Amino acid sequence: KAGVTQTPRYLIKTRGQQVTLSCSPISGHRSVSWYQQTPGQGLQFLFEYFSETQRNKGNFPGRFSGRQFSNSRSEMNVSTLELGDSALYLCASSADRGGGYTFGSGTRLTVV
Amino acid sequence: AQKVTQAQTEISVVEKEDVTLDCVYETRDTTYYLFWYKQPPSGELVFLIRRNSFDEQNEISGRYSWNFQKSTSSFNFTITASQVVDSAVYFCALSEAPGGGSNYKLTFGKGTLLTVNP
Repeated sequence: KAGVTQTPRYLIKTRGQQVTLSCSPISGHRSVSWYQQTPGQGLQFLFEYFSETQRNKGNFPGRFSGRQFSNSRSEMNVSTLELGDSALYLCASSADRGGGYTFGSGTRLTVV
Repeated sequence: AQKVTQAQTEISVVEKEDVTLDCVYETRDTTYYLFWYKQPPSGELVFLIRRNSFDEQNEISGRYSWNFQKSTSSFNFTITASQVVDSAVYFCALSEAPGGGSNYKLTFGKGTLLTVNP
């Protein structure tokens, strides 16, 4: 079956702009989580959605937001981009609690 | 709060050597999951194993083996007869339920860069 699909793979944006990233989970998976990976901070949890509801949120400013649609596809949005937002953004889908997280290939965002 | 420590930042071995990657975790929960993921240069996190906190049995899968010890809060990963294709960053992760609910999330260690030289 198809894996987790993230689009786009690469993105270059200018400071102050906003960006939307997309994640299509594995068919049948209702949980979608987002992670940010940077060289300095490593992998950090952003938020998790389940059946269109945000169930959990990491320690990120309000500029980072997300949503999930009825087909379980998820988007995350970052507004007023800062240079420090440059990172690899990874999406993971899961069918059950506590495990079986399958990750996508990520979106590499560069803010200039 | 949960925490995962991978003390080894980088490891370099020669092909066919055995290598062990260390992972130590902290959690207040009695129910949790431990994971290992592999991240090749392409960036995708590849799932290797999940271990339930109630199951301390060690596991072997081909050249991979995992040693889970609750007494020392460790979940170490060994690659036997390493190959060049094993070169990647390896992450240990912990999943628990904040507040006892079903809101599981992964807390990752900083990762260990493994380089296997021919």
